[in-house]
Amino acid sequence: NAGVMQNPRHLVRRRGQEARLRCSPMKGHSHVYWYRQLPEEGLKFMVYLQKENIIDESGMPKERFSAEFPKEGPSILRIQQVVRGDSAAYFCASSPDESSSYEQYFGPGTRLTVT
Amino acid sequence: GQSLEQPSEVTAVEGAIVQINCTYQTSGFYGLSWYQQHDGGAPTFLSYNALDGLEETGRFSSFLSRSDSYGYLLLQELQMKDSASYFCAVRNRGSTLGRLYFGRGTQLTVWP
Repeated sequence: NAGVMQNPRHLVRRRGQEARLRCSPMKGHSHVYWYRQLPEEGLKFMVYLQKENIIDESGMPKERFSAEFPKEGPSILRIQQVVRGDSAAYFCASSPDESSSYEQYFGPGTRLTVT
Repeated sequence: GQSLEQPSEVTAVEGAIVQINCTYQTSGFYGLSWYQQHDGGAPTFLSYNALDGLEETGRFSSFLSRSDSYGYLLLQELQMKDSASYFCAVRNRGSTLGRLYFGRGTQLTVWP
């Protein structure tokens, strides 16, 4: 399966713990996007990364949230000291380049529950 | 900032045609995409318009009028499997083109 992969699919964390969400883009894609979705709402852009570079992080809270896309390995979205308000579905998407980013390929998402 | 408006719900019967509208306000508009999402699963790309006019892809078509800041998704010969949420999303020149701004989605229910 050459699609976008995300793991874990479900993640439960207690308040104050750290959450690490992983995303492997589609084969041949070097641009990765992270979105957050609350029930009954649209997807909210968080961050856009290219290999080893953060291109746009304007949608990501400045505190507790960070993202990386290393030269080797998956992209990681890290949430430190989680709070109940962080409970949501987090989707990552990929595209081969920015010009074709109107068509983003999404992974199945990680459902984060903070207890 | 950006804002997108689309109806929250639409219902139709199998075999019918349905149109989902999207109006947007954004500076530096670049293009409008449409995505489908079943029951909170992975959103899938349907169509994209950067220029005025109609784009047809099988049973789905999408239309854009840049002067009216308006677009729509047209679904023909509806099937039960088309029951899903449909999102419009804009790209604009004011930010990186990779950043998509999504509407809140339209829940389509298709009845037999």
